[in-house]
Amino acid sequence: DVKVTQSSRYLVKRTGEKVFLECVQDMDHENMFWYRQDPGLGLRLIYFSYDVKMKEKGDIPEGYSVSREKKERFSLILESASTNQTSMYLCASSLLPGGPYNEQFFGPGTRLTVL
Amino acid sequence: AQSVAQPEDQVNVAEGNPLTVKCTYSVSGNPYLFWYVQYPNRGLQFLLKYITGDNLVKGSYGFEAEFNKSQTSFHLKKPSALVSDSALYFCAVRENSWGKLQFGAGTQVVVTP
Repeated sequence: DVKVTQSSRYLVKRTGEKVFLECVQDMDHENMFWYRQDPGLGLRLIYFSYDVKMKEKGDIPEGYSVSREKKERFSLILESASTNQTSMYLCASSLLPGGPYNEQFFGPGTRLTVL
Repeated sequence: AQSVAQPEDQVNVAEGNPLTVKCTYSVSGNPYLFWYVQYPNRGLQFLLKYITGDNLVKGSYGFEAEFNKSQTSFHLKKPSALVSDSALYFCAVRENSWGKLQFGAGTQVVVTP
C-alpha cells in the first residue's frame, strides 16, 4: 500500500512564525501535491511538484512556498503565518499522469491553527 | 476551465436504504472523474474513478458510480448504506490525463441506524 505521512497531525503557531509542514511518501511517486481543506470550499491546490526541484503554483499559492530536495519528500512553508492560514493541510502523491494509476494518495492531514 | 459541483451539503439516509451522492462537472474535453471519501480525522481515500469504457464504475466498499455524458454527471451510489459509510465524500474532475484535479466542496453523508 502507498503510504503518505505528514510530520504533525495538529500544530499551533503564532502569527508571524515560519512554519514547515513535511510530507513523505514511500512509493517512489513522481508527483506530490499540497492542498488546504476548508469547510464548504473542498480542497484547493496550493502547490505541486512533478519532479525533484521542480514546482508549480496551484490555485492559491500566495503566502506559501515549497521545497522538494528529494523525490520522497515535499515540504510546505509558510514564511510568515497569518490567522487566515488556519486550515487543514493535506499532502498527496501520484504516479506520473497519463498512466493508468493516476489517482492521488493522501496523507492524514495536518490541522494548523495560527493564533 | 474545469469545474465540479456537489449540490448537496449533506445527505441523510437510514441504514439499509440506497445512498446517492450527486456530482456534476464541466470540462472542455474528455473528463477524468474520481470519488474520494474522508472519514473523521483522516485523509482522503480513493473510492473509484472513470477514465473511459463502461459508464458504470465499481469501486471500494460496495460503492459504484454512473458516468452520464449527456447530463455531465457522475453520481456515487451504494445499494444499501451502512452506518460506517457516514463520512465526507468528494467528487473530483481532471480535464485530461495531465491536468490538475478539481475537487467539489464535499457532501457530508449521515447514515442513521
